[in-house]
Amino acid sequence: GENVEQHPSTLSVQEGDSAVIKCTYSDSASNYFPWYKQELGKGPQLIIDIRSNVGEKKDQRIAVTLNKTAKHFSLHITETQPEDSAVYFCAAPTSYGGSQGNLIFGKGTKLSVKP
Amino acid sequence: GAVVSQHPSWVICKSGTSVKIECRSLDFQATTMFWYRQFPKQSLMLMATSNEGSKATYEQGVEKDKFLINHASLTLSTLTVTSAHPEDSSFYICSARDGTRYNIQYFGAGTRLSVL
Repeated sequence: GENVEQHPSTLSVQEGDSAVIKCTYSDSASNYFPWYKQELGKGPQLIIDIRSNVGEKKDQRIAVTLNKTAKHFSLHITETQPEDSAVYFCAAPTSYGGSQGNLIFGKGTKLSVKP
Repeated sequence: GAVVSQHPSWVICKSGTSVKIECRSLDFQATTMFWYRQFPKQSLMLMATSNEGSKATYEQGVEKDKFLINHASLTLSTLTVTSAHPEDSSFYICSARDGTRYNIQYFGAGTRLSVL
């Protein structure tokens, strides 16, 4: 089955700096990789995702890169702001018979952006 | 993005009572919904997967008689915590998958359950 490892578990940056969170996965058949942001006391919110037919996707200050050969993908946040402070989760699907299964989540990264 | 509505957001109940949590997909039909449990400072733990019109599939270690799941329509799934005890206190989050949008999974806002 799929196994997702996420690093680091905590990350503290100064406002305006960049933040990078990395995840590795084990199932080479996985083809969809979302990133979620969870603020305290709220449900996870999808912020960006990438599919295996592209290597990079960008949405304003957020970007995700995917290396299928190495089986890792990363979240990049540039020009960080205090409101970016939250817990970020990466995920990858299990695959059953080629169709998408349940998402397997990393353990999360607590990002703190200091003003 | 798509909206998943979860209610209530917070519930306090006495030990031994049952609590029902509702999860609705507001602008799409969700053939598959998921229920997660999250302990403080931890990741999401999948409890069960429910498909509309069929019985839920529970993860190993999750008591199906304790956590009753009903997915009666394409936009509604419910989780009932039966005979709740203090150890059931947790943050419960539902999720719905949009099959028309590359199976993207959207989450509700979560329900904080406190059992006294």
